[in-house]
Amino acid sequence: QSALTQPPSASGSPGQSVTISCTGTSSDVDDYNYVAWYQFHPGKAPKLMIYEVSKRPSGVPDRFSGSKSGNTASLTVSGLRAEDEAEYYCSSYAGSNNWVFGGGTKLTVL
Amino acid sequence: EVQLVESGGGLVKPGGSLRLSCAASGFTFTNAWMSWVRQAPGKGLEWVGHIKRKIDGETIDYTAPVKGRFTISRDDSENTLYLQMKSLRTEDTAVYYCATVGPGYGSGSYCFDYWGQGTLVSVSS
Repeated sequence: QSALTQPPSASGSPGQSVTISCTGTSSDVDDYNYVAWYQFHPGKAPKLMIYEVSKRPSGVPDRFSGSKSGNTASLTVSGLRAEDEAEYYCSSYAGSNNWVFGGGTKLTVL
Repeated sequence: EVQLVESGGGLVKPGGSLRLSCAASGFTFTNAWMSWVRQAPGKGLEWVGHIKRKIDGETIDYTAPVKGRFTISRDDSENTLYLQMKSLRTEDTAVYYCATVGPGYGSGSYCFDYWGQGTLVSVSS
């Protein structure tokens, strides 16, 4: 059982928006603004999509956005495209040189 | 272009040992904190541990299930990260990824900026 809770699946049609949640505790997500999101495509190296809750690394489309409220962080993908179909994982710094991850959400573009 | 290439995975019996390597290129390895993250079949990700850069003391931290059995090290002259695994258990079966983490490179934040494609470790009799 993963430390952070994500829904196992999410879906949306091309052009739509979809939001994936990531629920932690007062010791991780709620305590630190170090929530990140990663995209896993089969056969490719995982890719950082969002860091520090809502910041995008260079090269990540602005269709990807992040937010946080209390112990729940969210990743929103707007204007869904076929290439967004992948598995998405969240992570949070948990203090004392410790990190926790979510169980992953499979995003399907219908 | 940042590249992280893991190697050394394979099939090992319970109680056995294995050493994973992660060859880094495309960035200044000595500036980076480096980590190992694993994913057991059908499960989420788990942070295994990390090693800081030399100027930060090269301190190392591990997740509790691997403490005393796994050892992370780095060779800055070879731009290589290592994970020595001993007393392996069936529950260590996973794809092991190396990744840059934390201050020093990339976002400079407490996240995993760049990842390799992973290497599979299977522990089974």
